[in-house]
Amino acid sequence: QVQLQESGPGLVKPSQTLSLTCTVSGGSISSGSYYWSWIRQPAGKGLEWIGRIYTSGSTNYNPSLKSRVTISVDTSKNQFSLKLSSVTAADTAVYYCARLIAAADWFGAFDIWGQGTMVTVSS
Amino acid sequence: QSALTQPASVSGSPGQSITISCTGTSSDVGGYNYVSWYQQHPGKAPKLMIYEVSNRPSGVSNRFSGSKSGNTASLTISGLQAEDEADYYCSSYTSSSSLFGGGTKLTVL
Repeated sequence: QVQLQESGPGLVKPSQTLSLTCTVSGGSISSGSYYWSWIRQPAGKGLEWIGRIYTSGSTNYNPSLKSRVTISVDTSKNQFSLKLSSVTAADTAVYYCARLIAAADWFGAFDIWGQGTMVTVSS
Repeated sequence: QSALTQPASVSGSPGQSITISCTGTSSDVGGYNYVSWYQQHPGKAPKLMIYEVSNRPSGVSNRFSGSKSGNTASLTISGLQAEDEADYYCSSYTSSSSLFGGGTKLTVL
């Protein structure tokens, strides 16, 4: 079965770029109808959707983060990535990658999640 | 885009039923039948409990059910059990985004 695993630095300095990768195992990132997504959760707070990339490569981003976010996919490595630029302490959170289903008989839900990775923005 | 509105907390005794509401707008909850619900225990990733308003994934107890009326979706948990104590989040898919509710902490008394 498909599993997701986030990886990347746990500490990023203010004003720098946060870079995370999500590795997809147990299935091909190119097959099926899915949006590969990033979601974050500050400590003690709720979930915030960051953005998604479709199998075709098209993207959608949270308007509040759009100017700083880039999501890309590397099919050769079965991975997708998040880059968030000009980070501040407010970007400190647990970052999750997740698969959103976009199939005719099952649409619009995040059915598989990574375990999450904590990213702290601090000098 | 604004987050969907959920009550901050709900509580119930074992065996009872509770309902968590999730209010959006005609541009999200009311405009799409793509509301989903997630359960999150402390320190864990969210788990999908309901998709497309009222469908349960394989393996999710039939004590969990979902519905929608207008711009408000609801999650009902019947026969409350201690293991149901967790945070619950609703989400709505739109053609340009996904929105989450602020989350509801369920306490089983």
